[in-house]
Amino acid sequence: DAGVIQSPRHEVTEMGQEVTLRCKPISGHDYLFWYRQTMMRGLELLIYFNNNVPIDDSGMPEDRFSAKMPNASFSTLKIQPSEPRDSAVYFCASRERTYEQYFGPGTRLTVT
Amino acid sequence: DAKTTQPTSMDCAEGRAANLPCNHSTISGNEYVYWYRQIHSQGPQYIIHGLKNNETNEMASLIITEDRKSSTLILPHATLRDTAVYYCIVRFQGGSEKLVFGKGTKLTVNP
Repeated sequence: DAGVIQSPRHEVTEMGQEVTLRCKPISGHDYLFWYRQTMMRGLELLIYFNNNVPIDDSGMPEDRFSAKMPNASFSTLKIQPSEPRDSAVYFCASRERTYEQYFGPGTRLTVT
Repeated sequence: DAKTTQPTSMDCAEGRAANLPCNHSTISGNEYVYWYRQIHSQGPQYIIHGLKNNETNEMASLIITEDRKSSTLILPHATLRDTAVYYCIVRFQGGSEKLVFGKGTKLTVNP
């Protein structure tokens, strides 16, 4: 299995631009998680889905952030408009029934 | 989920056992102890988890004290590739799916 796939791996954008991060979970996994990691706040959960349905989005920082999961093999995290404080590494993770989350390699976002 | 306390950093010689402690004195009876690690610039990686019995897999061993208030992750023969931040997480299995990552322990394996 290729593991969790994220794209792009690096994204540099200007403040005010829309940013879309993509994730392909491991086939057969029915949970998908989006995390953000910064030096100041560490690794924090933004939102998670179960069977493509958002279950808990309490970690989404504000309305500028949105996440979708149109099918079992694809999810997006969108930031519109982006701000410099959104600069972070964004991780996607998936799991099945065994409670072990498998993380992707992350997307390093820089907003200038 | 119960709070965990871990040392900020530890050092270990290559080839020796690395013993990483975690305190979780407020753990409840149905909360599991999970260990993940994060090698620099990579996503976190699951290592092992347990409830009250000691557990072992191909990566590590997990020793949980009888009162369950603390645990130790053991890497039996540490290599340079084990240099990473190790996170101890306590989670109620069957409850929220959230994994709350603290600051973890930065383990440096020295040649």
